[in-house]
Amino acid sequence: EDKVVQSPLSLVVHEGDTVTLNCSYEVTNFRSLLWYKQEKKAPTFLFMLTSSGIEKKSGRLSSILDKKELFSILNITATQTGDSAVYLCAELCTGANSKLTFGKGITLSVRP
Amino acid sequence: DVKVTQSSRYLVKRTGEKVFLECVQDMDHENMFWYRQDPGLGLRLIYFSYDVKMKEKGDIPEGYSVSREKKERFSLILESASTNQTSMYLCASSLPGRRAYTFGSGTRLTVV
Repeated sequence: EDKVVQSPLSLVVHEGDTVTLNCSYEVTNFRSLLWYKQEKKAPTFLFMLTSSGIEKKSGRLSSILDKKELFSILNITATQTGDSAVYLCAELCTGANSKLTFGKGITLSVRP
Repeated sequence: DVKVTQSSRYLVKRTGEKVFLECVQDMDHENMFWYRQDPGLGLRLIYFSYDVKMKEKGDIPEGYSVSREKKERFSLILESASTNQTSMYLCASSLPGRRAYTFGSGTRLTVV
């Protein structure tokens, strides 16, 4: 059974739209929830969320964590074609040598 | 700028060949990871290492082995390549307890 579940798996929107990407996770040994953006090559880090209810924001992107309901959302406002990518959510568990467990990713396509 | 370098961007190998995928990081990171990424399956952890000469199995280690003789280099070995190992392979590194991995650009391996 998947530990990190993202939805929807793919999404097509038009420029200017606002999108919300979802990620749910398991609570066992939870430490942080991370979001990455992957275009053609390496995933690049977007946000790390550890505390519930505190929004992280970077330009048109924002993200928030709900530790009671065990999910996170990534919002992108006024989407641009350059936002087209795979968005990865990952759970980091406790422990000095902990590792990231990724969801399947959400493929976002932004049409002109 | 910190870097994780994977030696090959694209690789084509024959079934049964022994394949080496190399990953080098210049950030003095203790932790290194090998993932494979497949459509619809996301990133799955193959092996990871927390220190030189140390290795631990991830979620899908079958058919793979690793080598970490020096801190900066983590090699993934396919002892006898098979067609079901055709995939994108991503290497990553991090400091202990740190959440953000730095990823390499990936090696797209095709086994024919």
